Amino acid sequence: GAVVSQHPSWVICKSGTSVKIECRSLDFQATTMFWYRQFPKQSLMLMATSNEGSKATYEQGVEKDKFLINHASLTLSTLTVTSAHPEDSSFYICSARRTSQQPQHFGDGTRLSIL
Amino acid sequence: DAKTTQPPSMDCAEGRAANLPCNHSTISGNEYVYWYRQIHSQGPQYIIHGLKNNETNEMASLIITEDRKSSTLILPHATLRDTAVYYCTSNAGGTSYGKLTFGQGTILTVHP
Repeated sequence: GAVVSQHPSWVICKSGTSVKIECRSLDFQATTMFWYRQFPKQSLMLMATSNEGSKATYEQGVEKDKFLINHASLTLSTLTVTSAHPEDSSFYICSARRTSQQPQHFGDGTRLSIL
Repeated sequence: DAKTTQPPSMDCAEGRAANLPCNHSTISGNEYVYWYRQIHSQGPQYIIHGLKNNETNEMASLIITEDRKSSTLILPHATLRDTAVYYCTSNAGGTSYGKLTFGQGTILTVHP
């Protein structure tokens, strides 16, 4: 159990467009989901934490108006990169967990390339 | 937030045990230690976690020192597919969401 699905796995789009990434917990209900970003040869950097039905909590330096997070149900969270630019190109990864004491389980990531 | 430190890289021969150390001297009493690994271009894979006691599952064993300032992840019979970046982390205390902070991890290379 504890499967997290992320879609799409990769996307290429033009500068200025908005991109939506979905994160689903397939076999469990996730009270909390997390969004990370990872640049080449670097570690994961937490962008935001979202609880179902609540506004997301963003890490310092992450623009909430640029990275819109919606966690409308216990199995789905979405990250929308608005007006994406080349510097937003990165590997975006989501994770989900049942409770605060349980481990996070990660999706396979979305590779975003902005031309 | 609890901070973890790991060696940047380690090598291991196939079939041998891989012992990956992690220091977490600032961890507090209610913070779990989690281990993940990441193979290139994939999301991290959960391996194991623990609080005080040693833990074992089908993937690995986790040995936590009595003072909880360090731990060791043991892959008992490493295979080539175990080559990955291994992250030791802990859930942040003092916040209700228990976010994880990832360091640079240890690049484990398993040789034939």
